[in-house]
Order: sequence, then C-alpha cells, then structure tokens
Amino acid sequence: AQSVTQLDSHVSVSEGTPVLLRCNYSSSYSPSLFWYVQHPNKGLQLLLKYTSAATLVKGINGFEAEFKKSETSFHLTKPSAHMSDAAEYFCVVSGNNNDMRFGAGTRLTVKP
Amino acid sequence: DVKVTQSSRYLVKRTGEKVFLECVQDMDHENMFWYRQDPGLGLRLIYFSYDVKMKEKGDIPEGYSVSREKKERFSLILESASTNQTSMYLCASSLLMGGLGNQPQHFGDGTRLSIL
Repeated sequence: AQSVTQLDSHVSVSEGTPVLLRCNYSSSYSPSLFWYVQHPNKGLQLLLKYTSAATLVKGINGFEAEFKKSETSFHLTKPSAHMSDAAEYFCVVSGNNNDMRFGAGTRLTVKP
Repeated sequence: DVKVTQSSRYLVKRTGEKVFLECVQDMDHENMFWYRQDPGLGLRLIYFSYDVKMKEKGDIPEGYSVSREKKERFSLILESASTNQTSMYLCASSLLMGGLGNQPQHFGDGTRLSIL
C-alpha cells in the first residue's frame, strides 16, 4: 500500500523568496512521484515527475524536487517565488500495482 | 498538447436525479480516470478504465457507475444523486505504457456539481 503526506496545508511566502513545499511518502514498491499544480477553477497541471532516474528532478516554471529515499521525501522547491505561483499543489505517489495516492494539497500564498 | 474536455463547468441537480458527467480526450490515451475533489481530502479516485468497455473501481465507487463505449470518452453516472455527492469532479487521461501509475495524468478543468 502507498500513502503520501503533505506536511503543510498552507504555506505563505513573500514574492522573491524561496518556496519549500514538503511531501513524505510511503511505498512498498519503487515509487513514481509527481507534483501537480492547480490554479483556481482549473484542473491539475503536471509540474514534474520522478520515475527512478536522476534524484533531482527539474520541472516547469523553475520548480524542482529531490527524491530522498533515506528520508522518504520528495519536497518541492523554487528559488524565488512569483505572484503567479499562488495555487494549490499536490504530491502524488504511485507504483506498479496501479495504486495511486494524492496528498491533501498545500495552498501556496505569495505576498507582494 | 493533450486536451481533456469535461462537458459542463457547473451543474445543479436535484436529489434522486440520474446525473451524467461526460469527459472526452483527444490524444488516444488508453487510461481514463474520474476523481472527486473535496477540501482537505485531495483527490479521491472513483473509477478508472484502461481500455474500451473495461472499468475498475477506485477508492470510493459507491453511488457511481461509469461507461466507456469509445476510447476517447469516459462517462461518470450518479445513479440517484444525493447531497453528499456535491463536489468538484475531475476527469483525467494518461498513456498505459509503463503501467497505470507511471505516466503523468492530464486533467480536465473539472465540473462543480451541486445536488440540492
């Protein structure tokens, strides 16, 4: 069985400062891990994915995430927040048994 | 770019009605999914399909059914709508290659359904 925990339901940063959204996972298999972003009244858009290649994964819009097996973490980071980054972010874990789990989401607020 | 289109953005129905939510994708994806999204709960999988006429239950199938008669179309049916089915419903599609969970999913913009 797999599960994913997003450690913060809400994160607030100032524009131009770093962003850190935390995700821990549990998986019986070698997992695939994803981060998605959801802007208001929109569907989810893929930011990046990890599928057992390089542990540091670069995504769109300057986001990246590092897979740390020893810590069972897949935190999402961005060096400098932009107002347009304000959205909800979802971490997803899945495995070869077709079991996919979404985190509860982290709402990112960016202050001017 | 993959496009997943959900037929309605907003829908209001009454308790006991049979409700159909339609979803169409244009990239020949094998897999299609229906989720509901509720605050604080993330996305929960209702049903998925990996081929025409094939369907599998997700985590919360009770009160729902699905239909996949053509590869590009996946319909969610609320047999007898109830107020606890008021939610945002999201459809998604993905390639089958590499396993169901290993390919990124492409999402529609969602249908906000209210049951009165």
